[in-house]
This record gives sequence, C-alpha cells and structure tokens, in this order.
Amino acid sequence: KAGVTQTPRYLIKTRGQQVTLSCSPISGHRSVSWYQQTPGQGLQFLFEYFSETQRNKGNFPGRFSGRQFSNSRSEMNVSTLELGDSALYLCASSLGDSNEQFFGPGTRLTVL
Amino acid sequence: GEDVEQSLFLSVREGDSSVINCTYTDSSSTYLYWYKQEPGAGLQLLTYIFSNMDMKQDQRLTVLLNKKDKHLSLRIADTQTGDSAIYFCAEGLGGFKTIFGAGTRLFVKA
Repeated sequence: KAGVTQTPRYLIKTRGQQVTLSCSPISGHRSVSWYQQTPGQGLQFLFEYFSETQRNKGNFPGRFSGRQFSNSRSEMNVSTLELGDSALYLCASSLGDSNEQFFGPGTRLTVL
Repeated sequence: GEDVEQSLFLSVREGDSSVINCTYTDSSSTYLYWYKQEPGAGLQLLTYIFSNMDMKQDQRLTVLLNKKDKHLSLRIADTQTGDSAIYFCAEGLGGFKTIFGAGTRLFVKA
C-alpha cells in the first residue's frame, strides 16, 4: 500500500506570495492533518479534515487555510507569505477513528 | 493548556540503553505516542500506549506511563547507531488533535 505523498517536496517563494501544498493520504484513510515543523517551535498542529470537513484547527492566523476533496486528498494554502512561514509542512493521514497517524515526507517551504 | 515537553538532546554509547522522557499537561489525552524522525524524512510512528495502561513493551522499546505525574518515557534497549534520530512524544486529545513535543535528538556514539 502506498504511503502518504506530498507535493511538491521543495518550494521557494518570496514574501507576499501565496502557496498551495498538496497531500494524498493512504488509500482508505479519510482523515488528513497538517503540521508546521520549525527548529524553534517544533511540530505545530494546523488543522485536521475528515470527509471534506474541518474538524479541528490549531492556533494559526487566517492566512493558513485548507480543504479536503471527496477522494480525501487535501490541500493547504498560505496567503501573503511571511519570512516566518519558512518551515517543513507535514501531512498525516489516518482512518479517522483513532489518533494513529501516518506521515508524509513533508514539503519544505522557503520564503525569501 | 496543551503542552508537551521533552529534553532536546540525549547522547548514549552504542549498546547502552537510552531513556527519553516527556511530560504533558492535558489529562484528557486518550493515546500517547512516540514518533521517530530521521534526517530528510517525515515522522514514523514507533509505538503508542493507551492512557489507561502503565507499560507497553515492543521488542527493544519499552514505554512507561505515569498518568498521575503526566510523565511518559521511552526506553530503547541495546541502542544502535541506526537509532540516531529525533524522537517526538505526542499526546492524542479528543477532537482528533495531536500535540507534539519539540523532539529529543538522540546521538549514538560508536
């Protein structure tokens, strides 16, 4: 069974731009969670989607948004990029009935 | 509040046991997890323990949970150089939200 895939793996943007990251969960998994990982803050929870509905969100500004499609694939969007948004963005999928999550390799975003 | 704390670094010699400690604040956690992250990779679930358990053993890994003190530990027996990685403690809360610690970087010296 294929694992969680994230595209692109690397991205370089400039301040003020927007970016969209994509995550394809493991087949059959209906829950997708997004995390931001930085050296200073560790792993911070962004939001979780299940069956196209956002069930929970972390403490991030409204510039961070997401959505999930009917095939469980998820996208995350960050608008008006700031230097501090440079991070590794990790996506994790699960069946949705437990917290056991399987992580993708991440998308490394650099904001210049 | 929701907070998970763990020490940032641990260095051990190959063949010794490693013990990584973690404390958490939210008493409503259902599961507690240990994840491993190797350079350039995502997180890999190592093991987890249900919040009503005290101990779980899985080959070289032993997880101890002290719910009263909100303390979780991961012991790796016979530590190998391949165990060098960052280890994250995490607590699963209701609402399908998982809170992670900052990670403990384990160095294994040959």
